[in-house]
Amino acid sequence: DAGVTQSPTHLIKTRGQQVTLRCSPISGHKSVSWYQQVLGQGPQFIFQYYEKEERGRGNFPDRFSARQFPNYSSELNVNALLLGDSALYLCASSLVWAGEGRNEQFFGPGTRLTVL
Amino acid sequence: QKEVEQDPGPLSVPEGAIVSLNCTYSNSAFQYFMWYRQYSRKGPELLMYTYSSGNKEDGRFTAQVDKSSKYISLFIRDSQPSDSATYLCAMMETGTASKLTFGTGTRLQVTL
Repeated sequence: DAGVTQSPTHLIKTRGQQVTLRCSPISGHKSVSWYQQVLGQGPQFIFQYYEKEERGRGNFPDRFSARQFPNYSSELNVNALLLGDSALYLCASSLVWAGEGRNEQFFGPGTRLTVL
Repeated sequence: QKEVEQDPGPLSVPEGAIVSLNCTYSNSAFQYFMWYRQYSRKGPELLMYTYSSGNKEDGRFTAQVDKSSKYISLFIRDSQPSDSATYLCAMMETGTASKLTFGTGTRLQVTL
C-alpha cells in the first residue's frame, strides 16, 4: 500500500510569493495534519483537518492556510513568503482524530521549500 | 522553557552497543508518547507508540514512559550502522486535535 505522498519534492520561491503544497493521505485515513520542520529542530504543528473540517491550528500567522478535499487529500498554502518560511513541510495522516482512540500519525517525505 | 526537552547529541556508539535516548516534558496533560526515526532529508518514521505509563517492546526497541517523573526513554539493543539517524520524541494530549509536540531530536551515529 502507498504511504503518504507529497508534492512537489522541492520548491524554490522568492520573498513575497505564494506557494501551494499538496498531500495525499494513506488510503482509508481521514485526518491530515501539516507540520513545519526547520533545520535542526523538531516538527512544529501547523494544522489538522478531519473530514474536511479544521480540527486544530498551531501558532502560525494567517499567511498559512489549508484545506481538505472530499477525497481527503489536502493543500497547504503560504502567502507573502518570508525567508524564515524556508523549511521542510511535512504532512501526516491518521485513521481517526484525537477523540476516537488510537491515532498514530504517519508522515510523508516532505516538501523542502527554499525562500530566496 | 520548551514543553519537550531532548538532548540534540550527537551520540556516537559502536556497533552492537545498547543505546539510550531520553526526553523530559513539562505538560502533565500529555497522554500519548511516540518515538520517530528520521533519516537525513526524509520524513519521520513511526517506531513506537505508547499510551500513559509503562513499557513497550518491539524487536530491538523498548520504549519506557514514567509519567510521575515526566520522562520517556527509547532503548535500542544490538545497534546497527543502519540505526544512524535522528530520533525524535513526540507527545500528544487527549482532546480535540491530534497535535504532536516534538523534541528537537537526537542525532545518533553507530560506527563499525
